[in-house]
Amino acid sequence: AQKITQTQPGMFVQEKEAVTLDCTYDTSDPSYGLFWYKQPSSGEMIFLIYQGSYDQQNATEGRYSLNFQKARKSANLVISASQLGDSAMYFCAMREGRNTGGFKTIFGAGTRLFVKA
Amino acid sequence: DTAVSQTPKYLVTQMGNDKSIKCEQNLGHDTMYWYKQDSKKFLKIMFSYNNKELIINETVPNRFSPKSPDKAHLNLHINSLELGDSAVYFCASSSRTGISGANVLTFGAGSRLTVL
Repeated sequence: AQKITQTQPGMFVQEKEAVTLDCTYDTSDPSYGLFWYKQPSSGEMIFLIYQGSYDQQNATEGRYSLNFQKARKSANLVISASQLGDSAMYFCAMREGRNTGGFKTIFGAGTRLFVKA
Repeated sequence: DTAVSQTPKYLVTQMGNDKSIKCEQNLGHDTMYWYKQDSKKFLKIMFSYNNKELIINETVPNRFSPKSPDKAHLNLHINSLELGDSAVYFCASSSRTGISGANVLTFGAGSRLTVL
């Protein structure tokens, strides 16, 4: 069964510094996708970044980068130059079965990030 | 225009009642979902429809019944509400195309259900 693990319930980071949010996953499907979503206190779910299992390079989107280590089954999110607005809950997620009928995306328990001024 | 819209945003009701949450997406996506987020923020998939066909049905009590009249709409009806049904219910949609078939989820704003 697929599984996503986020071991950091909460993280603190100083404004303008970089922070890494950890995520490990487990799947037997060779084709899968990894995602990070942000949930601010307002409650909406915002897509940040995606990494495909066959992608050779780590994904980057602005200040977000995904440190994909396939052999270790880890997909850590790196946020550079943290801003106060980055304070939120961050969810790692995995989708299996790119070519099957039912796409199923499961989520980790989340990490709450606090950015200090 | 809101891409994925859910109504109502808040729902407060008594145990035993029946309620519905509606969801509509204008993104042209072919797949829609219902997720439940509990008080500890854990997100769990409940159902998924692809072109009006049910393709994912997790272990959810049969008091929960999704309905998809067309691929742009997915409603959730809950019968005989229980205290444990209190949660935020998120509708989401996705397309298998785009970003190399990533199937990125676009979420609605969520519907907070409180059962008293």
